[in-house]
This record gives sequence, structure tokens and C-alpha cells, in this order.
Amino acid sequence: GAGVSQSPRYKVAKRGQDVALRCDPISGHVSLFWYQQALGQGPEFLTYFQNEAQLDKSGLPSDRFFAERPEGSVSTLKIQRTQQEDSAVYLCASNPTPGEETQYFGPGTRLLVL
Amino acid sequence: GNSVTQMEGPVTLSEEAFLTINCTYTATGYPSLFWYVQYPGEGLQLLLKATKADDKGSNKGFEATYRKETTSFHLEKGSVQVSDSAVYFCALLYSSASKIIFGSGTRLSIRP
Repeated sequence: GAGVSQSPRYKVAKRGQDVALRCDPISGHVSLFWYQQALGQGPEFLTYFQNEAQLDKSGLPSDRFFAERPEGSVSTLKIQRTQQEDSAVYLCASNPTPGEETQYFGPGTRLLVL
Repeated sequence: GNSVTQMEGPVTLSEEAFLTINCTYTATGYPSLFWYVQYPGEGLQLLLKATKADDKGSNKGFEATYRKETTSFHLEKGSVQVSDSAVYFCALLYSSASKIIFGSGTRLSIRP
């Protein structure tokens, strides 16, 4: 079956631009996660949704980062006024039920801010 | 706080060599432990996991044992193949918290 998909796969932005990154989780998956992976590092947690409810946003690095999942399926991560330090791969993951331990990851969106 | 420390790479081995990638963790309570793998051009995939002390996770010839006394979860494989070349991440998860905490990754390259 289809896995987690993300778009775009690559995004180049000029400093100060706003960007929107999309995640399509596996159909029917209740939980959705966003992670940020800087070059040469492991992914770091950004935020977590259960259906449309954002239950944890403790990892969002600043108020320029905003995520939503209005209908409990597709999610968008928005970064306003991008900075060079926002350059990273943004990973989305989903799993079928809360408490399920295995998360299924998408291929990521590589963001480069110039 | 909770954290994962893993062996720095890159690690380069010849085909059929024995592999160990060290991983230790710092955590309160009893997290579940994972190894994820990222093949070139692909997304993160779960390789194996263990949910309690002394559990052994295994998959594709890889093994790791949850050692509470040494807070370790070292990844091993008896005979590596070129196709094992990838970046390996050790990670932990508290079910109640849902978020995975990853190590910084170890790049493995296998020479034919």
C-alpha cells in the first residue's frame, strides 16, 4: 500500500520567504509527527497530532513554525520568514493508533534557505 | 533529560566483516529502544526494536539486546553486505510521550 508521502521533495527559499511543506500520512493513521533533521544529525521532534488535535508542539523552535492538520489527515508545516538555520530535512511520520510504537516515515522535504 | 548517544561514524568495513555499532541511552523509567536505518535516497525505516530489559530485537541478520544494567542497545551483525551501507540511528520512545528521541546517526559503508 501507499506509504507516507511528502511534497515538495526539495525546496529552495530565499531568506525571509514563507514556505509550506505537505505531508500525506498513510490512510487511516490517527497519529502524525513532524521532525527536523539537520545535516549530519538525527531527527528532532517538532510536533505531534492525534487526528486534528495538536497534542504536543514542544519541539517547534520558534513562533515562525506552525503546523496544522485541519481534517485529521493531510498536514502542513509552515515556516514564516525563513532563516538560514531553518535549512534541514523535514520528516513526517504517522502511525495507526496512539500508543503504537512504530512510526512510518516519509521521504522528507529538503529545505535550503539561501 | 532523555538522550541517546551512539558511535560516531563513518564506519567502513569489508564485506562479510562483523559489525558493532554502539548505542547508550539516558532515560528515566523504561523506554522502548529502536534501531532505524536510512538507505541512500530513502526514508527512515524501522530495523528492529525491543520494549523491555533483556529483550532482543532482530531483523535482516541484525540484532540488538536491551541492556538495562549498562543502558545500552548495541547493534550487531555477523557478516555485513554491501547492501547494508546506510545511516543507522539508535532511538528511544516513551509510549506516553509518543515522540522518538534519536541519536545522531552512524554512517556505515561496506566495501566489496
